[in-house]
Amino acid sequence: DSGVTQTPKHLITATGQRVTLRCSPRSGDLSVYWYQQSLDQGLQFLIQYYNGEERAKGNILERFSAQQFPDLHSELNLSSLELGDSALYFCASSVGAATEAFFGQGTRLTVV
Amino acid sequence: EDQVTQSPEALRLQEGESSSLNCSYTVSGLRGLFWYRQDPGKGPEFLFTLYSAGEEKEKERLKATLTKKESFLHITAPKPEDSATYLCAAPNSNSGYALNFGKGTSLLVTP
Repeated sequence: DSGVTQTPKHLITATGQRVTLRCSPRSGDLSVYWYQQSLDQGLQFLIQYYNGEERAKGNILERFSAQQFPDLHSELNLSSLELGDSALYFCASSVGAATEAFFGQGTRLTVV
Repeated sequence: EDQVTQSPEALRLQEGESSSLNCSYTVSGLRGLFWYRQDPGKGPEFLFTLYSAGEEKEKERLKATLTKKESFLHITAPKPEDSATYLCAAPNSNSGYALNFGKGTSLLVTP
């Protein structure tokens, strides 16, 4: 158990809908990262938060947004969903930058 | 642009047959090289961090090494339970030092 909790584990939704994925980081970790993993793309970095503030963006679509709350949990919002958004979404947390990140078990999103 | 490249993409070994996985990187100002193990449908599990050329770390049948241009994950006398995808990653200075992952090596160890 990494100590990072993600909910829900599975999500099935229709195209055009909006969903929210939730992540609770390990106790004491201030950095939260979101990654997307699809079969053909590998693990793609989406966005990073540090202590409530956005730190860096990766390959995140404009339809996607995230935030980190004062209690350090984070949410990833995906809107206007398309079939191609079906993937595993992982949250990871770390103490700080350039340190080992610990991953949750992921949310499997299926868009139908 | 920072890049992490892993080879081979897939590797099949007999139980007890030792081998090595390769991770080559082009990163300006390396701030660590990270190895993870990922089982199907699960989150990546942290294995090692290496910070300087010549550094080695071991865990059970796994040993990771680092040179100035690449890292190796040596698997000695593997068992079927070592079957997984092994990922390496390096912090990307253009992304707040978030880990930039290679595509992984899928290892299958048969009895």
